[in-house]
Amino acid sequence: GEDVEQSLFLSVREGDSSVINCTYTDSSSTYLYWYKQEPGAGLQLLTYIFSNMDMKQDQRLTVLLNKKDKHLSLRIADTQTGDSAIYFCAETNNQGGKLIFGQGTELSVKP
Amino acid sequence: EADIYQTPRYLVIGTGKKITLECSQTMGHDKMYWYQQDPGMELHLIHYSYGVNSTEKGDLSSESTVSRIRTEHFPLTLESARPSHTSQYLCASSERNYGYTFGSGTRLTVV
Repeated sequence: GEDVEQSLFLSVREGDSSVINCTYTDSSSTYLYWYKQEPGAGLQLLTYIFSNMDMKQDQRLTVLLNKKDKHLSLRIADTQTGDSAIYFCAETNNQGGKLIFGQGTELSVKP
Repeated sequence: EADIYQTPRYLVIGTGKKITLECSQTMGHDKMYWYQQDPGMELHLIHYSYGVNSTEKGDLSSESTVSRIRTEHFPLTLESARPSHTSQYLCASSERNYGYTFGSGTRLTVV
């Protein structure tokens, strides 16, 4: 079945760039998403990318998609302590709309 | 501003009690989902619905049940709560492939 993998932890210093990586197995993925979860809260949709795109930029966020390698990344420029959270990668193949989530990457930003 | 609401936000309940977790959305989305999230962060799909009178079990076996009598309402019921049900429960809804909108979650503790 489909699978989405992420590394579990990432620690960066305030002001540095963060890069969170994700790999997926479903070759028919059509939409890929990044969600942010702050402590005790639900998931907030940060951004999404269609599978026919290579890159999407939205302010401090840059999403890169390598469809050949089935690799998705989220780059956060000028990382702030408020960016500390868990980041989930997710994908769907347009078959019924169910999202497959990765395990989440806990980003820790140190001052 | 949240368009999907979960109540209660926190619940502590004794073993054997029947509980219902409420989820309502005002966006008119046909698709709704329940996830269970353990402290290890991973999300497990336990139930979903693609419309009124349509419910399906998710990837993780759960002793809970759901109903979908109205588009906007997707409650989850545990007939007899056990300590193993202690977890965070997240409700979400979606339209097409624009990603899920999540509620803030219900943190359930069964003592």
